[in-house]
Amino acid sequence: SAVISQKPSRDICQRGTSLTIQCQVDSQVTMMFWYRQQPGQSLTLIATANQGSEATYESGFVIDKFPISRPNLTFSTLTVSNMSPEDSSIYLCSVDGRGYQETQYFGPGTRLLVL
Amino acid sequence: SQQGEEDPQALSIQEGENATMNCSYKTSINNLQWYRQNSGRGLVHLILIRSNEREKHSGRLRVTLDTSRKSSSLLITASRAADTASYFCATVLSGGGADGLTFGKGTHLIIQP
Repeated sequence: SAVISQKPSRDICQRGTSLTIQCQVDSQVTMMFWYRQQPGQSLTLIATANQGSEATYESGFVIDKFPISRPNLTFSTLTVSNMSPEDSSIYLCSVDGRGYQETQYFGPGTRLLVL
Repeated sequence: SQQGEEDPQALSIQEGENATMNCSYKTSINNLQWYRQNSGRGLVHLILIRSNEREKHSGRLRVTLDTSRKSSSLLITASRAADTASYFCATVLSGGGADGLTFGKGTHLIIQP
């Protein structure tokens, strides 16, 4: 199984600012995913990030608000831009662990509070 | 939009009892997975069942899948306090659509000692 770390683990930010979340994997993976979990809710896929190509965003999420980088096969960043209190959530990255559309391994999440 | 609906949303049982959670989904799937989340942390994969399978076991876990009813159930036998967590079903859609997982709303399970 892949070991995934995220930085920061939590943060408190002021509205209007931006935060970049880092996701590091201990092995090379093809696909990385970013999810949002709003308070008391389930997870919603934000985007899929493949190395060397633009991220693919799900309906309701746009690149200007959630720019994603994927510079290599072990690392990705998600930026939450121009934050508002509605962006307060847990942001999780995950990777395909055992092949395409199979089990995913998740990072511990980044807990974000926007004031 | 959420693919799955889970019920119950919350479940509280005594330690040693069995816990059953259900999940329904709306569209055709390649597989269905169950995950556990402890206290808002990262998710842990529990079990995957493919669309051509009807039942699968892993330790104290038993998962069933009924593709005609578009539903799945997760049974945890002989529950323990450490099983207290939120449980989510997640689907991988068939037809070459989104590569990520579509999660249900989850069941919050509390095991009373």
